[in-house]
Amino acid sequence: GAVVSQHPSRVICKSGTSVKIECRSLDFQATTMFWYRQFPKQSLMLMATSNEGSKATYEQGVEKDKFLINHASLTLSTLTVTSAHPEDSSFYICSFLAGNYEQYFGPGTRLTVT
Amino acid sequence: EDQVTQSPEALRLQEGESSSLNCSYTVSGLRGLFWYRQDPGKGPEFLFTLYSAGEEKEKERLKATLTKKESFLHITAPKPEDSATYLCAVQAADYKLSFGAGTTVTVRA
Repeated sequence: GAVVSQHPSRVICKSGTSVKIECRSLDFQATTMFWYRQFPKQSLMLMATSNEGSKATYEQGVEKDKFLINHASLTLSTLTVTSAHPEDSSFYICSFLAGNYEQYFGPGTRLTVT
Repeated sequence: EDQVTQSPEALRLQEGESSSLNCSYTVSGLRGLFWYRQDPGKGPEFLFTLYSAGEEKEKERLKATLTKKESFLHITAPKPEDSATYLCAVQAADYKLSFGAGTTVTVRA
């Protein structure tokens, strides 16, 4: 299967600071990718969809000014959590839409805001 | 609104005890139904995509089947390393995935 990496795997930050999470596809290119959030004991919730070179589309209830997405290239996307608060603590996972329309996920980033 | 319901919520099996997981769904314009495996603290690992009713796919001890309203993931003679949360998701026309809550499988040696 396709390989997707995320960096960092874990991050702890103080309330009010910003955190950037990087997501890379290592062996394929994709014009469309997705960012998800997963709370403990819950399933994945889609946050936003982005297409390379255009603005991201956010799901209802997700603040676009808080969660900044930059789909910089066909293999790289970043999610920046701005002015993070403890309630933003979660597991953030990216995925790329491959040419066969299957989604391949990264290993996730555990964000803890203190 | 797309809905995906997985059952049971948790499944405890003895090694070698075969069983099935259920995923029932309602979606407008189904492109595909996906099964993923997720280990604690990790991202989902792709297992199968099913596109049409009647389709079946196999991988080692896992077999996935699809009808017009539900999908089953059969685990044959499971081993402890099959312990994980199995996620079902439906893909709509816009390529977005809607996930079920998952079934956590624990296989005891």
